[in-house]
This record gives sequence, structure tokens and C-alpha cells, in this order.
Amino acid sequence: GAGVSQTPSNKVTEKGKYVELRCDPISGHTALYWYRQSLGQGPEFLIYFQGTGAADDSGLPNDRFFAVRPEGSVSTLKIQRTERGDSAVYLCASSEWGRGTGELFFGEGSRLTVL
Amino acid sequence: GNSVTQMEGPVTLSEEAFLTINCTYTATGYPSLFWYVQYPGEGLQLLLKATKADDKGSNKGFEATYRKETTSFHLEKGSVQVSDSAVYFCALSDRDTNAGKSTFGDGTTLTVKP
Repeated sequence: GAGVSQTPSNKVTEKGKYVELRCDPISGHTALYWYRQSLGQGPEFLIYFQGTGAADDSGLPNDRFFAVRPEGSVSTLKIQRTERGDSAVYLCASSEWGRGTGELFFGEGSRLTVL
Repeated sequence: GNSVTQMEGPVTLSEEAFLTINCTYTATGYPSLFWYVQYPGEGLQLLLKATKADDKGSNKGFEATYRKETTSFHLEKGSVQVSDSAVYFCALSDRDTNAGKSTFGDGTTLTVKP
């Protein structure tokens, strides 16, 4: 497809479980971002990849959160030992690095519910 | 650090009414400014942007002007339609550090009634 694709669209899990969320960016976009959106709030930055490397992970809330992008395209956000406070919509966005003015192209998000 | 404050909602208007959603920002550098829109059941998408002072971004009848002196980027539309019902987010990014690392406001929900 032409847009950013995120799977699953919905994930319900139990407290303490491990979760993986996947993002497939727009073809050719070298920059990939993860954001988290809690109910009634705007998206909050988590981590940014330029190519395969995490160039900025300053938004990750703690060491239970980790993300990879091994081949510079698809990215996976991994959450260990999930807590109820992790419940949110996780958004992925991509952009062309070095061009434009920071416009982000978002996927529809993965809604995570931790019971 | 950077922050964005936007008008609290929800906002309910009748069709053809004038819309203003206020947005002010605090930034350490010289930011680019954006309005994103999220229609029901869809992902966020860029509505308009402005990259320097006094620039006006416009799209789909919406406008916003980058006002450096008042650190504002208010969204306006002269005549809203039912199809404009959505959540609107003001955002900024710092081009000097990471153009895509954006700071968002909390969103304003707009409902337009026929």
C-alpha cells in the first residue's frame, strides 16, 4: 500500500505479558518515528530511527520499551512486562529525511489495552 | 523545552459558521508549525504547515498564519461543513535538531451540526 501500515490495529493483553507492535513505513522514507497517544492527549514522541539505527530514543518511558528496525524499513516496538498504564494508541510515522519541513505521515495506530 | 497549548474543546458549531481554534507555542529554536487533523476512524494527516514567520499555510479552506511575535498559529475557516468534524492537533518541530520530532497539543474536537 501507499501509506504507513500498522499491525495489529487492536491488541488486548494481560498485565505482565510481552507485546510487539509492527510498523511498515512508506516506501523510500528513511526516517521512522513512534509516538504514543493517551486518551484525550496529543501524540508523545517515543523514538526515532534514521535508517537502521535509533537516532533518538529519549521519549521511551523506561527500559521495558524497546524498538528495532533491522533492515531500515519495517520497525517493531516491543513492550515487556506490560502494565495497565501502557494502555494507549501507539502511532507510527515516517518521513523523508533531509527534505520537507518535518511533515509526518502517520499510520492508523495500534490500540493497546492492558487488563 | 518545546510545548504547544491549544484551545480546549469540544467545539460545536452549526454548518457555515466561522471557526477559530487557538494555538500558542513555546520553542527553544525556530520551529516549523503544523496543523494535523484526525477524522473519525482514520489516522492523523497533515492539514497545513508554515515554516517561517508571517507564512500562511492553507488547505481545504483552512488557514493559519505563523505569528512569531505572539508565538501563535491559530487555525481558521470561514464556513465550516459537517465533513470538517474531526480532532485538530497543533504541532511544532525544530528544524535545527530533528525536523520530524514533533511536539503536539492535546487536540480540539470539532463537531459541525447541519
